[in-house]
Amino acid sequence: NAGVTQTPKFQVLKTGQSMTLQCAQDMNHNSMYWYRQDPGMGLRLIYYSASEGTTDKGEVPNGYNVSRLNKREFSLRLESAAPSQTSVYFCASSELTDTQYFGPGTRLTVL
Amino acid sequence: GENVEQHPSTLSVQEGDSAVIKCTYSDSASNYFPWYKQELGKRPQLIIDIRSNVGEKKDQRIAVTLNKTAKHFSLHITETQPEDSAVYFCAASYQGGSYIPTFGRGTSLIVHP
Repeated sequence: NAGVTQTPKFQVLKTGQSMTLQCAQDMNHNSMYWYRQDPGMGLRLIYYSASEGTTDKGEVPNGYNVSRLNKREFSLRLESAAPSQTSVYFCASSELTDTQYFGPGTRLTVL
Repeated sequence: GENVEQHPSTLSVQEGDSAVIKCTYSDSASNYFPWYKQELGKRPQLIIDIRSNVGEKKDQRIAVTLNKTAKHFSLHITETQPEDSAVYFCAASYQGGSYIPTFGRGTSLIVHP
């Protein structure tokens, strides 16, 4: 089992560019999450999907959109990147609200 | 919604000492309390968890205690080693319900050889 995978691992964007972060899990989990991690701020929830076909905003959703493509895949899109979105992004999955399994992360820099 | 406070933000100990990290939560309905360890440049990974029907759980050198009345839980690491150096996150959620996990802001543990 690969667990939770994310692509890309690193990305540099210019202000105003768009991109999509991909996440997939092979644990048959219903719930999937996107977090951003900034120094001293812990893990802040951007969006989550409690089950296939549903998505909800988390603590910091502005500037992001998500798509739960199927049970395995949950993508995060930045339509017009801003320097404030420079961060490390983690995808995670879980069964209901049990233990979360995290992907390896995407380090994003917006210039 | 749930609010989780974690202290201290930084903890520096000598190898062999014990380390204690404390978290408080606000929602009495929370019943699942995991702890995650994140090594530098890596992903957070579960190291231990506790559910509301027990007061303490141990796994070798790590233990977690829960006080539901006071709404706080703690991570205890004994005989610390340099490889314990990492950021530790606590979290709280209502397992089996619609509550999403809420994380503390993390504690950076530094173990000096």
